[in-house]
Amino acid sequence: TQTVSQSDAHVTVFEGDSVELRCNYSYGGSIYLSWYIQHHGHGLQFLLKYYSGNPVVQGVNGFEAEFSKSDSSFHLRKASVHWSDSAVYFCAVSAGTGNYKYVFGAGTRLKVIA
Amino acid sequence: NAGVIQTPRHKVTGKGQEATLWCEPISGHSAVFWYRQTIVQGLEFLTYFRNQAPIDDSGMPKERFSAQMPNQSHSTLKIQSTQPQDSAVYLCASSTNERLFFGHGTKLSVL
Repeated sequence: TQTVSQSDAHVTVFEGDSVELRCNYSYGGSIYLSWYIQHHGHGLQFLLKYYSGNPVVQGVNGFEAEFSKSDSSFHLRKASVHWSDSAVYFCAVSAGTGNYKYVFGAGTRLKVIA
Repeated sequence: NAGVIQTPRHKVTGKGQEATLWCEPISGHSAVFWYRQTIVQGLEFLTYFRNQAPIDDSGMPKERFSAQMPNQSHSTLKIQSTQPQDSAVYLCASSTNERLFFGHGTKLSVL
């Protein structure tokens, strides 16, 4: 059974600051990790994914995430946030890429103050 | 490409009534997922289909909830005898092997 933990429910930063949103998972097998963003009133949109290879993956709008097997983590980072990055961010884990069930974390609400 | 289409966007039902939610996945996507989103529980997996076949319905409440995918162009989630605790945003997503594409959701309010 996969579980996902996002320890921070809310994160507030100023525009131009860097930010890291934390995600930890537990699962014994091969794992597929991804991040999604949800703006108010909309469905979730894909940001980036990791399955194998380089543990640092680049996504849209300057986001990147780093996979760590030793820490069971997949933290999301951005070097310089914009007010439009304000949204809820969800980390997700799946057993594979072949259309398996995705389990989502509780989400982190990011507020960027202009 | 209109994306994943969910109808209606909002549905208000009285306690004990039936609610049917519709999802039209992106053409060519082989998997369709249903999730329920609330403030308290977050994003809860309900069920999913692959090539129209039900694969995993472990998140579905055993009574009152059912999902079908009669053809590759739409899926339905039916809730019988709705209760106030069923109030939530129901999200449908279709999938390539790489990622999920979500609809805007149906907000169900049970009075």
